[in-house]
Amino acid sequence: EAEVAQSPRYKITEKSQAVAFWCDPISGHATLYWYRQILGQGPELLVQFQDESVVDDSQLPKDRFSAERLKGVDSTLKIQPAELGDSAMYLCASSSLGGATYEQYFGPGTRLTVT
Amino acid sequence: AQSVTQLDSHVSVSEGTPVLLRCNYSSSYSPSLFWYVQHPNKGLQLLLKYTSAATLVKGINGFEAEFKKSETSFHLTKPSAHMSDAAEYFCVVSRRDDKIIFGKGTRLHILP
Repeated sequence: EAEVAQSPRYKITEKSQAVAFWCDPISGHATLYWYRQILGQGPELLVQFQDESVVDDSQLPKDRFSAERLKGVDSTLKIQPAELGDSAMYLCASSSLGGATYEQYFGPGTRLTVT
Repeated sequence: AQSVTQLDSHVSVSEGTPVLLRCNYSSSYSPSLFWYVQHPNKGLQLLLKYTSAATLVKGINGFEAEFKKSETSFHLTKPSAHMSDAAEYFCVVSRRDDKIIFGKGTRLHILP
């Protein structure tokens, strides 16, 4: 069964350092999502791509976060510089199409700890 | 604007007894509603979804949910809990052209 791949699974970094996460969606899925999930809370959408274009990045802290999906396939989320409050689980999801009715398939996540 | 409220942060039931996880939503238009489950150290998995078809939606692992527009609710139920149901459950609301909103989650504990 096809799955969303994410790496690394765990990342520990010091504050002020740069960190990057990678996501490979299910083959053929046009829509890709990055979420941040703080412990004890539900996932919060950071950015949504349709192919290589950003559809929604209204919740992305653009002063330190950036995301790209250059060829419309895999994607990278970067944080520079990392802050203590960025410690969270970062989830990637994909769906065949964007929009409200389509199921999202989630990867296992990257757990980030900033020290 | 739309929002979703999961009324209980923790629910404990005994194995073999019914499960009820409550979710209320707010949306100006007809929303799509989902329930996802998150087992420890695993990714989120879709349990079921409502997209303006039948109001009683059946999902995987014996779960079902009923869309009640008059009560703006989408509660998740299961007739008989199993130990493997212990997990975090998220209610999600979304609407075309609007944000996808996750609830804060309900942790389900199954007592032997």
